[in-house]
Amino acid sequence: ETGVTQTPRHLVMGMTNKKSLKCEQHLGHNAMYWYKQSAKKPLELMFVYNFKEQTENNSVPSRFSPECPNSSHLFLHLHTLQPEDSALYLCASSPRTSGGAGTDTQYFGPGTRLTVL
Amino acid sequence: AQSVTQLGSHVSVSEGALVLLRCNYSSSVPPYLFWYVQYPNQGLQLLLKYTSAATLVKGINGFEAEFKKSETSFHLTKPSAHMSDAAEYFCAVRNQAGTALIFGKGTTLSVSS
Repeated sequence: ETGVTQTPRHLVMGMTNKKSLKCEQHLGHNAMYWYKQSAKKPLELMFVYNFKEQTENNSVPSRFSPECPNSSHLFLHLHTLQPEDSALYLCASSPRTSGGAGTDTQYFGPGTRLTVL
Repeated sequence: AQSVTQLGSHVSVSEGALVLLRCNYSSSVPPYLFWYVQYPNQGLQLLLKYTSAATLVKGINGFEAEFKKSETSFHLTKPSAHMSDAAEYFCAVRNQAGTALIFGKGTTLSVSS
């Protein structure tokens, strides 16, 4: 496997279910991101992890719970979601988050299409 | 605060015609700007990026973009469209903290034969 992979690619869940999305990067990067892509809206940054530490939580509801056990893996745990949470969830990685000069390209996975019934 | 505005949610061109996708940015610091492309059922792929070096940036698949500070613009162009260019295109600016990207709403490019 190369690049950034995400599983599952499609997920349908009820509002009372608990499920998890998985992201794995094979690029040796140290920063990982979760984005939400809804129809007709810009990509929304949800969480940022740098060297396994969460560095940004963009006011995401607590029904979304991220986990980053190591620099290669990122999870998004889901519970008691709402229908409006249906979207494409994209994971990305970069060598690091840029705190100063320079910039780091983010590499995206194919996404998980989530439908909440 | 940083932001991007993509003018036109949908652009249609004929095969062989010029492609022009517009992006204007707002940034309180010198910006780092990106264009990404998303094909159906796929993630985003980097086309090109501006990092304060040359103002004309060349990317993959024949695309290029010109950074114009006076116009706060970073428009994406391609001289001759191919059918395979049909996709959604996103302009993005790095946030002030340098920790993430802020994306525009995207522009869907359709190419007709």
